[in-house]
Amino acid sequence: AQSVTQLGSHVSVSEGALVLLRCNYSSSVPPYLFWYVQYPNQGLQLLLKYTTGATLVKGINGFEAEFKKSETSFHLTKPSAHMSDAAEYFCAVTDSSGTYKYIFGTGTRLKVLA
Amino acid sequence: DAGITQSPRHKVTETGTPVTLRCHQTENHRYMYWYRQDPGHGLRLIHYSYGVKDTDKGEVSDGYSVSRSKTEDFLLTLESATSSQTSVYFCAISDTGTANTEAFFGQGTRLTVV
Repeated sequence: AQSVTQLGSHVSVSEGALVLLRCNYSSSVPPYLFWYVQYPNQGLQLLLKYTTGATLVKGINGFEAEFKKSETSFHLTKPSAHMSDAAEYFCAVTDSSGTYKYIFGTGTRLKVLA
Repeated sequence: DAGITQSPRHKVTETGTPVTLRCHQTENHRYMYWYRQDPGHGLRLIHYSYGVKDTDKGEVSDGYSVSRSKTEDFLLTLESATSSQTSVYFCAISDTGTANTEAFFGQGTRLTVV
């Protein structure tokens, strides 16, 4: 079975600093990977996704992620944090068994300090 | 925003009572999912559906049942609510079910079992 591990349940950065949220996956077949963001009292919205092709994926709000097969990682980055980036971020992988289930990590809550 | 409506948005119920949560979509998407979100656990799949009357269990299905009699509606029933089922429940939908298709989420239902 596939799984996702997000390192760090809470991350704090200063406004203007680099954001780095870590995600590692486990998969015996090529995965499809996603990052979602959840603002307080809201549902999840897609930030970006990796399917095939270019390993550096750009998403909304200045976020990007790089798929590294050798490291089984899909870390999320943003060069300069903004106060509005404070939210919870979830990494997810699609199950490859053909049932199209989305398997989520436990989430990382990002705090942006003024 | 994808047309997904969850109802009710908030509910308080007593231990031992049955509860039904509804997810309604206007996107005509084939796949529908129910997740629960709990601190430290991220999102965990309860049940999912890959078509009308076609459903299957997720990783935390005990104590829950689902039904899908129409493409647009996916119902989640807690047969006899327990305090451990206090959670935020999210419905999600996806289109063709191919692995690189993202899921779209509803706004969530906050359920409290007292």
